Amino acid sequence: GQQVMQIPQYQHVQEGEDFTTYCNSSTTLSNIQWYKQRPGGHPVFLIQLVKSGEVKKQKRLTFQFGEAKKNSSLHITATQTTDVGTYFCAGDSGGYQKVTFGIGTKLQVIP
Amino acid sequence: DAGVIQSPRHEVTEMGQEVTLRCKPISGHDYLFWYRQTMMRGLELLIYFNNNVPIDDSGMPEDRFSAKMPNASFSTLKIQPSEPRDSAVYFCASSPPGYSNQPQHFGDGTRLSIL
Repeated sequence: GQQVMQIPQYQHVQEGEDFTTYCNSSTTLSNIQWYKQRPGGHPVFLIQLVKSGEVKKQKRLTFQFGEAKKNSSLHITATQTTDVGTYFCAGDSGGYQKVTFGIGTKLQVIP
Repeated sequence: DAGVIQSPRHEVTEMGQEVTLRCKPISGHDYLFWYRQTMMRGLELLIYFNNNVPIDDSGMPEDRFSAKMPNASFSTLKIQPSEPRDSAVYFCASSPPGYSNQPQHFGDGTRLSIL
């Protein structure tokens, strides 16, 4: 079955530093979603990428979808303590709304 | 608008007991998902429904787990008998209709501890 691999699993950064998490799929994706889960909370949808090579920005967050639609990345510029949480990618290979979540990258920001 | 509502928020019970988790999806959403989250395995899809019909239950660990969706506004996930390895956070999520993937809206989860 489809696998979605995400690295790194953990990342500690000093406040103000940049952060990037990477997602790779074993199959070509129709689209990819990104979610954020705060400690003790539930996953919250951030964005969906659909087109090959697509880049989308949300304030300090930049999301990219690879040209081959098999990988994606989330980059945070100048991290803040409010960015703390686990970031998940979720890939779909077509049909029926089902997605496969990556293991997630747990981000810790040191003030 | 109300989000996805799950109950109970916390459940502590002894092994062998029956556990029932409940979920009310967002009105108008016709997909409902049950996930289990653990440190070791991350977020695993157990089963999902479309218009109250189970579409894929390949993630259900074993026969001790069952899920139902009797109507568009209610679903249950039942574990009988429960075992300590079932301890996890169980999330319910719903998504609206659409030709392609739609954002999933998660409930607050049920933190389940089996002693």
